[in-house]
Amino acid sequence: NAGVTQTPKFQVLKTGQSMTLQCAQDMNHNSMYWYRQDPGMGLRLIYYSASEGTTDKGEVPNGYNVSRLNKREFSLRLESAAPSQTSVYFCASSEWPPGHYEQYFGPGTRLTVT
Amino acid sequence: AQSVTQLGSHVSVSEGALVLLRCNYSSSVPPYLFWYVQYPNQGLQLLLKYTSAATLVKGINGFEAEFKKSETSFHLTKPSAHMSDAAEYFCAVSGSDGNNRLAFGKGNQVVVIP
Repeated sequence: NAGVTQTPKFQVLKTGQSMTLQCAQDMNHNSMYWYRQDPGMGLRLIYYSASEGTTDKGEVPNGYNVSRLNKREFSLRLESAAPSQTSVYFCASSEWPPGHYEQYFGPGTRLTVT
Repeated sequence: AQSVTQLGSHVSVSEGALVLLRCNYSSSVPPYLFWYVQYPNQGLQLLLKYTSAATLVKGINGFEAEFKKSETSFHLTKPSAHMSDAAEYFCAVSGSDGNNRLAFGKGNQVVVIP
């Protein structure tokens, strides 16, 4: 039982490059989330998926896209990376609604954009 | 919308001393409240949560938190700090009205002094 897994763990991109962050959960949760963590800012929600087939914007969606591939997998895409997207990205999953249930977090992806 | 205030980004505590982390929330509906802990280079994990069953909530590793509606607070305490408590701690709030977002505070980095 791996919980929430994320790939890659580290990534360095040049400005303008694209990449996809992968996330998978094996807890049969309906809901999945992408957060970014920046020093002194806490966690900010980028996008979430309440259930398979649905996605919605969070607090800071600009510059990102997501795909809920199936119930297990939720990917985050940066189409044209910018230095402001340097951050640590966390994927999480839970039952719905998120405020009622514990969220389970992956280990994070540390992204640097130069 | 819900929001959380955590004051003092860095908190130093001596080993064996009381740990007190303050959390004040803003919510227009009865809240769900959470404390998460993040150890270095890891994702977040749940310490404890309040869901209106009891105002004093006990969590893992000897932590507890008390919900005080009149003060809109959910402060986290531990009677005696241990070196292994060095981590970042986040308070989070969600509304019980089905609001989709879990709002995180900016976090407290706890340093334990031997």
